[in-house]
Amino acid sequence: DTEVTQTPKHLVMGMTNKKSLKCEQHMGHRAMYWYKQKAKKPPELMFVYSYEKLSINESVPSRFSPECPNSSLLNLHLHALQPEDSALYLCASSQEDRGPFYGYTFGSGTRLTVV
Amino acid sequence: DAKTTQPNSMESNEEEPVHLPCNHSTISGTDYIHWYRQLPSQGPEYVIHGLTSNVNNRMASLAIAEDRKSSTLILHRATLRDAAVYYCILRDYDSGYALNFGKGTSLLVTP
Repeated sequence: DTEVTQTPKHLVMGMTNKKSLKCEQHMGHRAMYWYKQKAKKPPELMFVYSYEKLSINESVPSRFSPECPNSSLLNLHLHALQPEDSALYLCASSQEDRGPFYGYTFGSGTRLTVV
Repeated sequence: DAKTTQPNSMESNEEEPVHLPCNHSTISGTDYIHWYRQLPSQGPEYVIHGLTSNVNNRMASLAIAEDRKSSTLILHRATLRDAAVYYCILRDYDSGYALNFGKGTSLLVTP
């Protein structure tokens, strides 16, 4: 299995809702990542997990709460989002986070719309 | 400060070679040069990476200048499926080797 699977593919949520995005990989990778991508812009790094521990938080608002329950699974919990949080949320994994010779494998993303 | 500079867009004819340039004049000795591409409605996809020497794989070739201040991604024979945004990224020690995307080059391939 050489894929990163993200669910759901599309999500519409209200500003008072709580929802979660899920990401799964079975490649034995020990680093997992969340990125946010607005239309016609490059992806922006949000969080890095290394060996199931949060190692980088790029000053992301607390309404985004990441969780890594095990080495194969990464969640992003969403609460009280704003319409400007509407974007494509991408998950990625790599063998190690501090190995610059390892490539990242990305999922296809969850397209989130906040109404 | 942008660590890499790429043209905003390029155009190529199908079945012809494509040379995508990237300038990284502030590169340091331990920085790796990575290339990713993102096809429409998909997540980014790893293409190739290198440190000092030129590299080849089944997708592309990476030519790195001797002073490492620039590199070129070479698609040997462009197909319509190669139309994508191509990102040249430096993975450096200071940023924890994180994959930080710049603006990239949008490649249009015409039949």
